[in-house]
Amino acid sequence: ETGVTQSPTHLIKTRGQQVTLRCSSQSGHNTVSWYQQALGQGPQFIFQYYREEENGRGNFPPRFSGLQFPNYSSELNVNALELDDSALYLCVMKGGEGETQYFGPGTRLLVL
Amino acid sequence: QKEVEQDPGPLSVPEGAIVSLNCTYSNSAFQYFMWYRQYSRKGPELLMYTYSSGNKEDGRFTAQVDKSSKYISLFIRDSQPSDSATYLCAMRTNFGNEKLTFGTGTRLTIIP
Repeated sequence: ETGVTQSPTHLIKTRGQQVTLRCSSQSGHNTVSWYQQALGQGPQFIFQYYREEENGRGNFPPRFSGLQFPNYSSELNVNALELDDSALYLCVMKGGEGETQYFGPGTRLLVL
Repeated sequence: QKEVEQDPGPLSVPEGAIVSLNCTYSNSAFQYFMWYRQYSRKGPELLMYTYSSGNKEDGRFTAQVDKSSKYISLFIRDSQPSDSATYLCAMRTNFGNEKLTFGTGTRLTIIP
């Protein structure tokens, strides 16, 4: 168990809608990253937050946005959903000593 | 060309065999190298973590990094059916944010 939780576990949306995915941790991880994993592919880096500020972004359009809260929980928001946004969205937490990054179980999003 | 290349498999071996999984990469700035195991419809779980070149052993698992060849390997000894999963290599640089760059994953099946 990594102590990282994500909600919801599954979600179905239609094209053009907006979605908010959530991530939280039992420990005080001060760095959170989000990844998109399409079927049969490795995870792709979306962005990272450190102490509530975005400090790195992958090759994703601005309709992917995020927040990190003072309690280190985080949200990923996706606007104007497209069919290709269907994927497993993974939250990753890191903090304290060591280099280990802890993955949550993911939210599986299906866009119809 | 992708920064990290990994044979997607699938790879099937009999129980008890030694499994060899590999990745190659092109970015010489990568300093941290990881192997994750991912069961179907779950988030990745960290198996091995190595900094720079060298070998690291943990139980039945051995990770090797050859930075001169830009080649990393994971060996699984005495493979078990419970080792059946997708294995993802991941790596990152020593500066900037915590972005992980993943391979596509190798799907492994251990046949009883």
